[in-house]
Amino acid sequence: DAKTTQPPSMDCAEGRAANLPCNHSTISGNEYVYWYRQIHSQGPQYIIHGLKNNETNEMASLIITEDRKSSTLILPHATLRDTAVYYCIVRVRNAGNMLTFGGGTRLMVKP
Amino acid sequence: EAQVTQNPRYLITVTGKKLTVTCSQNMNHEYMSWYRQDPGLGLRQIYYSMNVEVTDKGDVPEGYKVSRKEKRNFPLILESPSPNQTSLYFCASSSLITGNSPLHFGNGTRLTVT
Repeated sequence: DAKTTQPPSMDCAEGRAANLPCNHSTISGNEYVYWYRQIHSQGPQYIIHGLKNNETNEMASLIITEDRKSSTLILPHATLRDTAVYYCIVRVRNAGNMLTFGGGTRLMVKP
Repeated sequence: EAQVTQNPRYLITVTGKKLTVTCSQNMNHEYMSWYRQDPGLGLRQIYYSMNVEVTDKGDVPEGYKVSRKEKRNFPLILESPSPNQTSLYFCASSSLITGNSPLHFGNGTRLTVT
């Protein structure tokens, strides 16, 4: 499975858009990009995923570059409750050995 | 409510005393998995199961056992716990039939082995 690279930390002002980048330059054609977040020591929470097309749901938007080597998670109006560690993962559809989660990006939303 | 339930949330035990952490899901998921989380090391997979009676090792299986006798339950067993197994543990499940289904995580079990 492809590895991902994320910045260790980012800050964002409350009410502004938070753009979290992820590099997955070795991604294969059958690997999806997933985003999760973990608030304090709670269980990771699924946010969004995609294969090739950009995706949007009630929580966030996912922009995947045309070559699929990188993606950006967008939280359109960050709130203090969005402060968390955000993980970008790539995995093969129906993969049994779900990837090890890396270090993620620690997003701090500030008033 | 669809959920993954782990018990207990907190556990303090002594070296060598066998323990079991339970995990149950009510979503009829085929796939279940155990992770441990340690500072600076992210989430690492211990064992996973693709269906009843089918289990396989993840990245860090040493010192752990699992069983999958029923679809909904996937207990994690530490036969002889040691201090280096002090960690935060998460159980997760996912559907395999619906293809790219995301993982659903439990709320975690914080284990301390003295």
